[in-house]
Amino acid sequence: DARVTQTPRHKVTEMGQEVTMRCQPILGHNTVFWYRQTMMQGLELLAYFRNRAPLDDSGMPKDRFSAEMPDATLATLKIQPSEPRDSAVYFCASGLVLGRNTEAFFGQGTRLTVV
Amino acid sequence: QKEVEQNSGPLSVPEGAIASLNCTYSDRGSQSFFWYRQYSGKSPELIMFIYSNGDKEDGRFTAQLNKASQYVSLLIRDSQPSDSATYLCAVKVQGAQKLVFGQGTRLTINP
Repeated sequence: DARVTQTPRHKVTEMGQEVTMRCQPILGHNTVFWYRQTMMQGLELLAYFRNRAPLDDSGMPKDRFSAEMPDATLATLKIQPSEPRDSAVYFCASGLVLGRNTEAFFGQGTRLTVV
Repeated sequence: QKEVEQNSGPLSVPEGAIASLNCTYSDRGSQSFFWYRQYSGKSPELIMFIYSNGDKEDGRFTAQLNKASQYVSLLIRDSQPSDSATYLCAVKVQGAQKLVFGQGTRLTINP
């Protein structure tokens, strides 16, 4: 049963602490997306990778967010220092992007609460 | 102007009727369009995609694309209470490999 796996599912942390979210994409997929979802903004694209190379991270606050893909089975999103406004659900999605085809399959998400 | 726009709803439809969901996009060069369904507290799941003008049907779902008007729609026939969810329209931006999502339309099917 191929699926995108995200950890942790829930995270509560204090303001100023570092938060690391992890994602294991579906084997064979060449593209990984990081999205953030809030009631106000909906699904916002933070960053995405093709064949592990970062293509666009313009959606991320650069001073505190960083995204990496150290190998084909792991993508990470890090926030340092975290702030209450970072509270949201963070989704990782992966897909095999070929030509027009950009079907993306989502993980279960990490619900982050910064207090 | 947002890249992808949807009416946030809520849209309320009686059971058995046709639910019609709409989406407009700003990038005229976009070629790939996707509909996702998201149940409350769950992650989005892909239900349909369409690349060409016209209609694409899959069971009770029909996606319609009008490139000239930059308009995508999703029709759900014989709607069921289990169709109650938020429906997200996504567009692949031309020249990039990223998917941009609309705000989503919350649909409620009333028994």
